[in-house]
Amino acid sequence: AQTVTQSQPEMSVQEAETVTLSCTYDTSESDYYLFWYKQPPSRQMILVIRQEAYKQQNATENRFSVNFQKAAKSFSLKISDSQLGDAAMYFCAYNTGTASKLTFGTGTRLQVTL
Amino acid sequence: DAGVIQSPRHEVTEMGQEVTLRCKPISGHNSLFWYRQTMMRGLELLIYFNNNVPIDDSGMPEDRFSAKMPNASFSTLKIQPSEPRDSAVYFCASSQRQGPGGELFFGEGSRLTVL
Repeated sequence: AQTVTQSQPEMSVQEAETVTLSCTYDTSESDYYLFWYKQPPSRQMILVIRQEAYKQQNATENRFSVNFQKAAKSFSLKISDSQLGDAAMYFCAYNTGTASKLTFGTGTRLQVTL
Repeated sequence: DAGVIQSPRHEVTEMGQEVTLRCKPISGHNSLFWYRQTMMRGLELLIYFNNNVPIDDSGMPEDRFSAKMPNASFSTLKIQPSEPRDSAVYFCASSQRQGPGGELFFGEGSRLTVL
């Protein structure tokens, strides 16, 4: 079964600091995609960043970057220069095969303090 | 561009009543997904459609749940009869891409409370 594990239920970071959220996954597939989604209090899920497994280069989107370790099946999200608006639930997700359906982890709640 | 539109945003009903949740995907998107979010189980995929055809409904909890997509711009998720354990936030999402790697665009969710 495909699983996604986020071992940190909650994290806290001070404004302007850097924080890393962890994610591990389990798959026997060689080609797959990994995602980080953000869910603010408004509830709507928003894509933060996406990584294709066959690309060795880590994806980056402005202050957000990933550390993708394929052999270790690890996909962590680094948020640099944290802002108050980054406070949200962050979900790691994964898909493979022939469909775009996503399997989600349990989420990490990020608090940003002044 | 309008995003994925879900209605109602909130629904409170009594056990045994029928509940219908509605979703309008983004125009041009070929795939539609229904997810359920609870504290205990997180985000679970209930069912998804490609080109209006149900592809995988293995996540539908039981026969009380049914989903339809009569056309490319509308889908419903129905629960009949509803039970307190169905209380959750139900999300609809759509994707332009049928294969893996496509971004899912989510609606704001429908929060269902069954008393």
